[in-house]
Amino acid sequence: DTGVSQNPRHKITKRGQNVTFRCDPISEHNRLYWYRQTLGQGPEFLTYFQNEAQLEKSRLLSDRFSAERPKGSFSTLEIQRTEQGDSAMYLCASSLGPGGENYGYTFGSGTRLTVV
Amino acid sequence: AQSVAQPEDQVNVAEGNPLTVKCTYSVSGNPYLFWYVQYPNRGLQFLLKYITGDNLVKGSYGFEAEFNKSQTSFHLKKPSALVSDSALYFCAVRALYNNNDMRFGAGTRLTVKP
Repeated sequence: DTGVSQNPRHKITKRGQNVTFRCDPISEHNRLYWYRQTLGQGPEFLTYFQNEAQLEKSRLLSDRFSAERPKGSFSTLEIQRTEQGDSAMYLCASSLGPGGENYGYTFGSGTRLTVV
Repeated sequence: AQSVAQPEDQVNVAEGNPLTVKCTYSVSGNPYLFWYVQYPNRGLQFLLKYITGDNLVKGSYGFEAEFNKSQTSFHLKKPSALVSDSALYFCAVRALYNNNDMRFGAGTRLTVKP
């Protein structure tokens, strides 16, 4: 296991198109998080899963955004009808919990989305 | 809700000199505090954490951080900087009562010059 894997690394899309990102967490980690990072800012929390259950969603996650973790392993983040303001780095992280999050999250390298 | 402030966008130090990257936090109750480092085109890497115990915590790559409750600060330090330490550093806080909401600062870009 080489850590948290995210695909694709880069995505350029036209405004109005749908995009989907994938995250493969560390296999034994039951918690998975999605963050968004824009230039000059720290990561902002989007949503969180424990196993297959999506337990929390940020107000940042508009109805155009949906995330799934169908079998409690990998997760997908879909953005429908993309807007230029969606351009950002989308980061996935995982941890073992409860309790493991106290020791920090393991982050993937992120997917950089550019909406043109 | 909890929040983190990193007052310096940029910190420049000469190689071999000590470095400090500042962080202050706001949280209800006891905080869990973290430092992460981000290299270009890479995800965030965990450096160190404070949960309880000694106020001075040691982490990866020779970094340490001092928790100061009265000043609500958690500054990152290293006695002797390396050029390879040049990166983006993020402070983060999580409230003890909220397992799922880790708030990050805006980041500080550290540049170590030879």
